Amino acid sequence: EIVLTQSPGTLSLSPGERATLSCRASQSMSSNYLAWYQHKPGQAPRLLIYGASSRATGIPDRFSGSGSGTDFTLTISRLEPEDFAVYYCQQYVSSPPGYTFGQGTKLEIK
Amino acid sequence: ELQLVESGGGLVQPGGSLRLSCAASGFTFSSYEMKWVRQAPGKGLEWVSHISSSGSNIYADSVKGRFTISRDNAKNSVYLLMNNLRAEDTAVYYCARDQRYSYGLRAFDIWGQGTMVTVSS
Repeated sequence: EIVLTQSPGTLSLSPGERATLSCRASQSMSSNYLAWYQHKPGQAPRLLIYGASSRATGIPDRFSGSGSGTDFTLTISRLEPEDFAVYYCQQYVSSPPGYTFGQGTKLEIK
Repeated sequence: ELQLVESGGGLVQPGGSLRLSCAASGFTFSSYEMKWVRQAPGKGLEWVSHISSSGSNIYADSVKGRFTISRDNAKNSVYLLMNNLRAEDTAVYYCARDQRYSYGLRAFDIWGQGTMVTVSS
């Protein structure tokens, strides 16, 4: 079973700063199945990145994803007030079939 | 507009049952795999179950043998029947669409607003 570990648990930054969020897999995995989501309280989660680096429809280009193997990164180049939320990475594995989320990184206003 | 709307949540006693529904609109529902994902209070997201467009399904170990996912393509709906509920099943339950992109890429691209399930005596 692949475990996804996100770091840091909480990231305190100011609007305009750059945010770098990490997602580490316990074993090498296909980047095809690595996605990032943004989740705000009381709202539906929102897909940001799929395939480790492809932006979903309507996602601003300040969001970018990178990585391969066991180490993946979500970068927000310049934080806007609406970006403060919890971010999850997620992967699919085929054997045994299933999906796993990381524990989340809370991005809070400093 | 692409939309998923969950319903059926509520308060249920331990050992009880509940059936969640998720109504889809704005896309060809029968062509997509669908998921249920939950979030317990103060916790992160947890995948619960998946159903293919043809009806085959898989479950997280935490719900296997207790939960059953199904779909009715004529009604553009996916369901989650939850039996033998436990306190640890208390969560907001979301349905989500599984989008297949080019080159084998995939992700959950559309999510509902969720429905709250509380298991308590």
